[in-house]
Amino acid sequence: GAGVSQSPRYKVTKRGQDVALRCDPISGHVSLYWYRQALGQGPEFLTYFNYEAQQDKSGLPNDRFSAERPEGSISTLTIQRTEQRDSAMYRCASKSSGQTQYFGPGTRLLVL
Amino acid sequence: GIQVEQSPPDLILQEGANSTLRCNFSDSVNNLQWFHQNPWGQLINLFYIPSGTKQNGRLSATTVATERYSLLYISSSQTTDSGVYFCAPEGTSYGKLTFGQGTILTVHP
Repeated sequence: GAGVSQSPRYKVTKRGQDVALRCDPISGHVSLYWYRQALGQGPEFLTYFNYEAQQDKSGLPNDRFSAERPEGSISTLTIQRTEQRDSAMYRCASKSSGQTQYFGPGTRLLVL
Repeated sequence: GIQVEQSPPDLILQEGANSTLRCNFSDSVNNLQWFHQNPWGQLINLFYIPSGTKQNGRLSATTVATERYSLLYISSSQTTDSGVYFCAPEGTSYGKLTFGQGTILTVHP
C-alpha cells in the first residue's frame, strides 16, 4: 500500500477485555515497530520486528502485552485484561534498511 | 537509554515569523528524525538527518552529531505549521527511536 495502515482507528473497551490492534506496514519494509503515546507525551518504544522475528520487546510494559508478525508483514499487538492505564494512542511504524521510519495513523484506545 | 531534551516546550508566533527549535541528546546516535504531529494526530516525517544540513521548502534542519544536538528552522511560518514538533534520535543499529517531549508550536494569523 501507499503507507502504513492501522486498524481499528478508535477502540473503546471495558476494563478486563482483550484487544487486538493491527498494523499493515509499507510493502517490502522488513522492520516494524510499535510505540505507545500518552496524551501530551512523545511516543515510547514498545517492540521491534525484523521480518517475523521479534528482536526487541524491552518496551512492553508487562506480560499482558504481546505482539506478533507471523509472516513478516502484518503485525498484531494484543493487550489482555485491559486496564484504564492502557488508554493511549498506539502507533506502528515501518522502514527499509537504513531509511526513514514511517508511522501509521495510530489506534486510539480508550479503556473504560 | 538516550535522554532527549527539546526546547522551547511551547512557542507562539505570528504568521510570517521565523523560529528555531532545538533538540539535545545524551549519547552518540546512528540517526535522527524530526516529525510534525498535526492537530489531527498524524505524525509526519520532516527530516531524516544523521548529520549535516538539509532543506525542504521553508523548513531546514541541522544535526551536529559530535556535539549531540539538532536544530529545526521554520521560516515564514504559516498557521498550518501549528502542532507538535518531535525529534527522535536513533541509538541502536535497528532503528529504535527515542522521542523528546516535543515543542508545541502555535502560529496565529
